[in-house]
Formats: sequence, C-alpha cells, structure tokens
Amino acid sequence: SQTIHQWPATLVQPVGSPLSLECTVEGTSNPNLYWYRQAAGRGLQLLFYSVGIGQISSEVPQNLSASRPQDRQFILSSKKLLLSDSGFYLCAYYPGQGSEAKNIQYFGAGTRLSVL
Amino acid sequence: GENVEQHPSTLSVQEGDSAVIKCTYSDSASNYFPWYKQELGKGPQLIIDIRSNVGEKKDQRIAVTLNKTAKHFSLHITETQPEDSAVYFCAASVKAAGNKLTFGGGTRVLVKP
Repeated sequence: SQTIHQWPATLVQPVGSPLSLECTVEGTSNPNLYWYRQAAGRGLQLLFYSVGIGQISSEVPQNLSASRPQDRQFILSSKKLLLSDSGFYLCAYYPGQGSEAKNIQYFGAGTRLSVL
Repeated sequence: GENVEQHPSTLSVQEGDSAVIKCTYSDSASNYFPWYKQELGKGPQLIIDIRSNVGEKKDQRIAVTLNKTAKHFSLHITETQPEDSAVYFCAASVKAAGNKLTFGGGTRVLVKP
C-alpha cells in the first residue's frame, strides 16, 4: 500500500536559522510530489512541485527552496528563516499510474513550523 | 491561472441538519474537482471528487454537484454529525503536466450537538 511520511511534526526555529523538512513516499514509483504551506486559518498555497528526480517547479518566489534527491524523497529547505515562514507545511503526492484518471493527491500529516 | 473561490468561510449547523459549501472556479479547462476534509493538526483527506463529465456524485451522506456552464460546484452533507466538524477545502485542476490542484480558502464547519 502507498504511504507518505513527513517529519518533524513540529519545529520551533529562531529567525535566521536553516530549515530542512523531509517527505518520503512508499509504495509507488515516480510520483509527482508537492509542498504546500497553510497559514493559520487559511487555504493551501502550492510552493513547489516535482514531476521527477531533480525536477523542481516553483510556484511563488520566496525564501524557501526544494530538492528531490531520490525518486520518493522531497525536501523543503531554507538557508535563513524569516518570521513570515511560520506556518503548517504539507507534503503531498500524486501516484500517477492507476490514479491518473482522477488526479488524486494524498497528503502527509504536516509539519507545524514556528519561527521565533 | 486557475482561481477557486469558496463560501462560506465558516458554517455552524445543528446536528442532523444539512450543510452546503459552494465553490466557483475560473478556468473552463478544469476537469477534476476534489473535496478534502482537514481535522485540527492533520493533513487534508480526500472525501469525494467529481470529474467534469459527471453532474452529481453521492457517497452515503456526502454528495457533490457540478455545473460546468456556471463553473461552480458544491458539497452537500446530510444528517450532519459532530464528527463532521472540520475544515473543508474544494479544489480544481486540469489534467496536465504537474497535475496541480488549486484550492479554495476553506470552510470551517461546526456541528453543534
């Protein structure tokens, strides 16, 4: 079966510190991978998506970057965090094969990041 | 690009009553419309979806309707229960490279016992 793991669940970081959030997917090959940010009480904003290893598309200019070093691994990073980077970060995947007709995206449990 | 508007932003209903959430989209090429339920501190979970070649779909107490001409779709929850309390998101996508979803702003539903 397919699963998605995201960690850490919560993170408190000082302004100016680096960030690394990791997401891994099991049970599928060559998935599309996505990073979303959700501000408190708000909707989901797509930050990055990837259709393959080393292929990253950025949706909004910002202080963050993403990388996909392996087929089922997606990393969200920052060199220096800002206060405005606080939020709930969600990783998602689209299996592609088998679900292509429905475009279904499956979400991880999220990481709550507080920048102080 | 696609823009999805969702209303209302909050909805309070009495247990047993119905809840309706409405969304509009801008891109006529969109052909897939999922609904997600997000409980506090968790990731969104898909509850129902509909494709553009279908006007209505039902799954137990949940139903979704789609009006392609007017570019709007709605979620209907009947016989609401306290466990239906959550934030609900609609989304729209075009089956294309990236399979990106554009989400509405969310509706916080509170079912009062």
